[in-house]
Amino acid sequence: DIVMTQTPLSLSVTPGQPASISCKSSQSLLHSDGKTYLYWYLQKPGQSPQPVIYEVSSRFSGVPDRFSGSGSGTDFTLKISRVEAEDVGDYYCSQGLHLPYTFGQGTKLAI
Amino acid sequence: QVQLVQSGAEVKKPGSSVKVSCKASGVTCSKCAISWVRQAPGRGLEWMGGIIPVLEIANYAQRFQGRVTITADESTSTTYMELTSLRSEDTALYYCARGWGFFDYWGQGTLVTVSS
Repeated sequence: DIVMTQTPLSLSVTPGQPASISCKSSQSLLHSDGKTYLYWYLQKPGQSPQPVIYEVSSRFSGVPDRFSGSGSGTDFTLKISRVEAEDVGDYYCSQGLHLPYTFGQGTKLAI
Repeated sequence: QVQLVQSGAEVKKPGSSVKVSCKASGVTCSKCAISWVRQAPGRGLEWMGGIIPVLEIANYAQRFQGRVTITADESTSTTYMELTSLRSEDTALYYCARGWGFFDYWGQGTLVTVSS
């Protein structure tokens, strides 16, 4: 199975400050179709996960532009330019290329 | 707006089975998959398997092979996940989610507690 490793596992940020989460996969997530199947999800306290970023850098519908994703191959990053109170929760990276689909351990973002 | 509504919480004895349902409504797509993802207490997310209802094609994570069956009833837009031979480690929140690799809409989760 593809192992997804996130760092850090927890992050405490002052509102208005930036935040960054790293995700490394044990194999390349680049498909022969040219797409890279790396996703980011946010699970707010007491809620179901919700998509934030798909295919490395595309924001899901309704996601504020303070969220951005970058990376290639096996190394990826989620950045929040200015953290707001509503951004708290657990962030998970995930790969959708190799079965079984796998998730990182999660990064808890606190204010 | 797509909605996935799951059945209610279950308490089961070790060795028994559980069947959780997930009904889709709103804007749907004919060849969309429904996957099942579980989350043990205080733990991360784990993909169990999924199905493309219109094609009746299902795929399962190896570690659940033989214990999980995912089925779909196209007439009611409902997908089911059955897990057998339950053990205490299966205590978790079980989510259905639309997608196959990328999950854009999620159900509210169903808590399954396995306890003697």
